[in-house]
Amino acid sequence: DAKTTQPPSMDCAEGRAANLPCNHSTISGNEYVYWYRQIHSQGPQYIIHGLKNNETNEMASLIITEDRKSSTLILPHATLRDTAVYYCIVRVALPGSGNTGKLIFGQGTTLQVKP
Amino acid sequence: DGGITQSPKYLFRKEGQNVTLSCEQNLNHDAMYWYRQDPGQGLRLIYYSQIVNDFQKGDIAEGYSVSREKKESFPLTVTSAQKNPTAFYLCASSIRLANSNQPQHFGDGTRLSIL
Repeated sequence: DAKTTQPPSMDCAEGRAANLPCNHSTISGNEYVYWYRQIHSQGPQYIIHGLKNNETNEMASLIITEDRKSSTLILPHATLRDTAVYYCIVRVALPGSGNTGKLIFGQGTTLQVKP
Repeated sequence: DGGITQSPKYLFRKEGQNVTLSCEQNLNHDAMYWYRQDPGQGLRLIYYSQIVNDFQKGDIAEGYSVSREKKESFPLTVTSAQKNPTAFYLCASSIRLANSNQPQHFGDGTRLSIL
């Protein structure tokens, strides 16, 4: 079962910031939060991940609350091409060495960017 | 460009037939994964491999088989024992390092349908 909960859908006006929330109240101290997005009929695209500090890259920013029970993905200037399903994921460790893990995708948030 | 290549993009299987889905990566990643995605649902892990010549079952391995003879290749065979093979199949890879939380990167998937 997914360890995260997200709203099923959100709208955002083109050019405005899109703020996508995620709850992960059962997250463990050493588990990272990952964000991916998926456009129909394509593979999921990695966006960003973080542990406890806020993170920023060329695609987005990730804000994680101090208690780590929730986070927000921010797309600073949404475009029509950002319309996709966004997944917030806490990776589950897999047995064996090497720190590999499986990604448990929930239903995600369908973000619709409107002109 | 570095990335993950899945082929074919679309595949049709007859009843009782085995089919093999190709996944190749040139990212020099040690770990590779196969997921299955059904309509409106999240991804489920089929098999994973942390290193060449080693692989492990994921959550839904029944009816599937894999091999990992080369670092860059991780083909998935959908056997006739898989009774509900129609799905979108996604291959991913990641760096395998101790204490690493590097993300998994995905190919663009293969859509398998039953004739």
